[in-house]
Amino acid sequence: DTEVTQTPKHLVMGMTNKKSLKCEQHMGHRAMYWYKQKAKKPPELMFVYSYEKLSINESVPSRFSPECPNSSLLNLHLHALQPEDSALYLCASSQGGLAGVYEQYFGPGTRLTVT
Amino acid sequence: GQQVMQIPQYQHVQEGEDFTTYCNSSTTLSNIQWYKQRPGGHPVFLIQLVKSGEVKKQKRLTFQFGEAKKNSSLHITATQTTDVGTYFCAPPNSNSGYALNFGKGTSLLVTP
Repeated sequence: DTEVTQTPKHLVMGMTNKKSLKCEQHMGHRAMYWYKQKAKKPPELMFVYSYEKLSINESVPSRFSPECPNSSLLNLHLHALQPEDSALYLCASSQGGLAGVYEQYFGPGTRLTVT
Repeated sequence: GQQVMQIPQYQHVQEGEDFTTYCNSSTTLSNIQWYKQRPGGHPVFLIQLVKSGEVKKQKRLTFQFGEAKKNSSLHITATQTTDVGTYFCAPPNSNSGYALNFGKGTSLLVTP
């Protein structure tokens, strides 16, 4: 199974809502990532988990809160988002923590709209 | 992180024509990966290049890593409509080590 799954596929939320994005992989990968992608732009790294520990936070606002409950699951908790946070949120995983060595497998993404 | 410049930003070709996208860095790269993202899709890994001067082929796709490991290219021979999408080069992010630093991508449109 070389699939990364993400739920939901689409999410519309108001600026006062709290919601969560979920990501799951069963490839035994030990590194998982959250990326944000705006239209016609490259994916922009947000967070990296390595062996279930947060190893990188690319100066992401605190209204985004990641969580890694176990080695297969990655969540992104959203609270008090702004309209400019509307984007495609991509989850990815890789075999180890060294991105230069291992390819990353991306999920289909969650299309988020903040109203 | 390691900044890379990717050109061209867009390319429109007739089916059957060749296509090349280039990725250039001001610093030496340890390695570089290439990804393809179809419209409405997610990035999909194509290849990783590690060695100086490395050339790898996948059917009609040829990937090169420069001798100085500062540039890379992807060449598609005889494009097909299935080649439509955005091609990203992605060296490792030197600040984080675990992450990829995606280039801005080249969007390829192929008309029959």
